[in-house]
Amino acid sequence: DVKVTQSSRYLVKRTGEKVFLECVQDMDHENMFWYRQDPGLGLRLIYFSYDVKMKEKGDIPEGYSVSREKKERFSLILESASTNQTSMYLCASSPPRRQTLGQYFGPGTRLTVT
Amino acid sequence: QKEVEQNSGPLSVPEGAIASLNCTYSDRGSQSFFWYRQYSGKSPELIMSIYSNGDKEDGRFTAQLNKASQYVSLLIRDSQPSDSATYLCAVRSNFGNEKLTFGTGTRLTIIP
Repeated sequence: DVKVTQSSRYLVKRTGEKVFLECVQDMDHENMFWYRQDPGLGLRLIYFSYDVKMKEKGDIPEGYSVSREKKERFSLILESASTNQTSMYLCASSPPRRQTLGQYFGPGTRLTVT
Repeated sequence: QKEVEQNSGPLSVPEGAIASLNCTYSDRGSQSFFWYRQYSGKSPELIMSIYSNGDKEDGRFTAQLNKASQYVSLLIRDSQPSDSATYLCAVRSNFGNEKLTFGTGTRLTIIP
């Protein structure tokens, strides 16, 4: 089974803090994704990566950055947390397209910025 | 127009009946379609995928795809209270990268 883990289930940070969210997958997947999920807005893609050191902006990259130094690990960074970044953050991974499989999600991190 | 649209519900279905969830998409180039189940407070779980027109069955779940009409549906037979969740439809284009576009989900409640 694919296993995607995230460093924290719940996180409380103060406005202006730098926040690191870590995601690790154990299935040697090339592709990794960061989403945020908010009521009524659904899942929105922040960034994704299709290879080590490669990244592409998703639909809402402002205020976020990412790092992928190793294939299994994809980090989301909030450079200066703000209250409007309070949300559920979900990491996902997927194999290459040739395997035509969907994305597999981690358990999520519920981040509260006060 | 949203790229992937779902009726937000809530959809209430008696236990043992068939639950029918629908999804329409706007990108005619879309080739891969997925259904995810999300329990409250949990992350989405992939339950079905479909790529060709027609039906695909897996246990009590059947996914149906009609590319000409640009819709995909999920049928849940013999609905159980444990099926109560939000169901997300996701679509991947044939072109470009591995991105999925998600609908906002339909909340399903199975009434015992």
